[in-house]
Amino acid sequence: KNEVEQSPQNLTAQEGEFITINCSYSVGISALHWLQQHPGGGIVSLFMLSSGKKKHGRLIATINIQEKHSSLHITASHPRDSAVYICAVRANSNYQLIWGAGTKLIIKP
Amino acid sequence: DAEITQSPRHKITETGRQVTLACHQTWNHNNMFWYRQDLGHGLRLIHYSYGVQDTNKGEVSDGYSVSRSNTEDLPLTLESAASSQTSVYFCASGGQGGTGELFFGEGSRLTVL
Repeated sequence: KNEVEQSPQNLTAQEGEFITINCSYSVGISALHWLQQHPGGGIVSLFMLSSGKKKHGRLIATINIQEKHSSLHITASHPRDSAVYICAVRANSNYQLIWGAGTKLIIKP
Repeated sequence: DAEITQSPRHKITETGRQVTLACHQTWNHNNMFWYRQDLGHGLRLIHYSYGVQDTNKGEVSDGYSVSRSNTEDLPLTLESAASSQTSVYFCASGGQGGTGELFFGEGSRLTVL
């Protein structure tokens, strides 16, 4: 079992829909990262969380440390949001990043 | 503006040749990382450094080496390129201290024929 699990693996939605991507982990962590990768493109850091909630534009990230779970939400989704979204956690044990496999999101116009 | 750059962006080489991928960051980050990304594997850590003269092996370090002689640069060397090392390579810096944000280079696509 992977230490970081993302769900769903693939998600296709219509423009305007509210999107939720989930990340569950099994290790103690000091921080969790959400990143975005466009097809053929580079990787961009969206959020780093250690508790609570952060918001940037239409993106919202939440984390529940007790439940070892984080969610990334996209409101009023747009085709330009189509990308792979990756969750990564920084383990307390060795400060290394453990990566999720990513969620491929496609937003149809 | 601070940035992280990789070069070359694309490289084709032959089996057995030595290849060096450059990574340069102007964030003044102590932490720097090299990852490879392959279909079906996501990001895998090759080597990382927590500061000048510090280098550490990641999960897929065989056939790769790095050196850290200054804060800004972490070059990745493939001593004798193999076809299995055909991949997209990403350099990153940050991830600890300050905002803790990670910054990635744009990637270097390496093809070993």
